Amino acid sequence: AQSVAQPEDQVKVAEGNPLTVKCTYSVSGNPYLFWYVQYPNRGLQFLLKYITGDNLVKGSYGFEAEFNKSQTSFHLKKPSALVSDSALYFCAVRDPKSSGNTGKLIFGQGTTLQVKP
Amino acid sequence: KAGVTQTPRYLIKTRGQQVTLSCSPISGHRSVSWYQQTPGQGLQFLFEYFSETQRNKGNFPGRFSGRQFSNSRSEMNVSTLELGDSALYLCASKERETQYFGPGTRLLVL
Repeated sequence: AQSVAQPEDQVKVAEGNPLTVKCTYSVSGNPYLFWYVQYPNRGLQFLLKYITGDNLVKGSYGFEAEFNKSQTSFHLKKPSALVSDSALYFCAVRDPKSSGNTGKLIFGQGTTLQVKP
Repeated sequence: KAGVTQTPRYLIKTRGQQVTLSCSPISGHRSVSWYQQTPGQGLQFLFEYFSETQRNKGNFPGRFSGRQFSNSRSEMNVSTLELGDSALYLCASKERETQYFGPGTRLLVL
């Protein structure tokens, strides 16, 4: 069965410091991986995705993520955090082998990022 | 392009009533998915529609249903509302492999 784990409920960093939000996944085939961010009372905003190719993926607002197949991880990173990055972050996976042509995403439980001034 | 729009944004209903939520995808997107977000269960897939056909369904009771129209707009319906149906309902439209989400409809069942 497909699953996504975000092991940290909350991550706290100081503004200007690098940040990492962790994500591991379990799928039967080659995964399609995504990161979304949610601000209070808002929907999910797409940040970046890994489908194939280069393991380091760059996305919106200076975020990037590294796909590591051996560790089944897709951690979100940013070199220098901003207070405005404070939000709820979701990792999601789609396994095209089991979900076929549908777009069904399996989400992690979310990680709250708090960036302190 | 305009983003995904959902109406209404907020809704209060009582147990036993039914509710219909609406979603307009990004222009040109033909795939629409619905998700339920609750503090306890997180984000869970409800169903996906493509060209007016349901392509996939999540593990929800039959009280949850949906449909898609020829202009790709979608509606979801929940009948006989229960307290546990209180949630943020998110709609997403898909282009290639990326799903773009709307702002959601927050449903409160009293």
